[in-house]
Amino acid sequence: QQPVQSPQAVILREGEDAVINCSSSKALYSVHWYRQKHGEAPVFLMILLKGGEQKGHEKISASFNEKKQQSSLYLTASQLSYSGTYFCGTEIGSARQLTFGSGTQLTVLP
Amino acid sequence: SQTIHQWPATLVQPVGSPLSLECTVEGTSNPNLYWYRQAAGRGLQLLFYSVGIGQISSEVPQNLSASRPQDRQFILSSKKLLLSDSGFYLCAWTPGLSTDTQYFGPGTRLTVL
Repeated sequence: QQPVQSPQAVILREGEDAVINCSSSKALYSVHWYRQKHGEAPVFLMILLKGGEQKGHEKISASFNEKKQQSSLYLTASQLSYSGTYFCGTEIGSARQLTFGSGTQLTVLP
Repeated sequence: SQTIHQWPATLVQPVGSPLSLECTVEGTSNPNLYWYRQAAGRGLQLLFYSVGIGQISSEVPQNLSASRPQDRQFILSSKKLLLSDSGFYLCAWTPGLSTDTQYFGPGTRLTVL
């Protein structure tokens, strides 16, 4: 079952914040976040495991609410380099497979 | 360090022609390997995954097939391409644990005319 990402697209000015959500209809074992620039392969951002974990790397952080079966990615003080399409990949029951959402296109303008 | 290679980088093929895309991983052993397809402007669709030599699981029924002849080699094939096979094909690997990061190769952009 493909996770649902929202919003589908967002446009920001440099320095603004954004939140990208990822929801699943099934209980999740882990959530993986990736960013993909146009024409390039996805690049790993972070993994969150079940347990309500929150992780962060510089100005990008994420949370995982196991009970609600959803994860959110937080981008604060966005930079031009944050532009791209963000995908969440969800893993159900340690199946070694990820099912990816349809992506959120983020555009950061100067 | 580990690296993942894919070739070719770009391919233009006529409808009905065969296909062979190759993916190799260096610097690790017994990786889990994955093939994804991404249609233009769309998300990633898992096509096949493999946990070992000769072990292939298919996620989507189609005219594509995959093989793993060696530990670090993963091949995606087709006997007859369809227009709908066009897309960006990505190979990925993980060290084997379910919670590990999937590292993606540079991808192959396939256009079927």
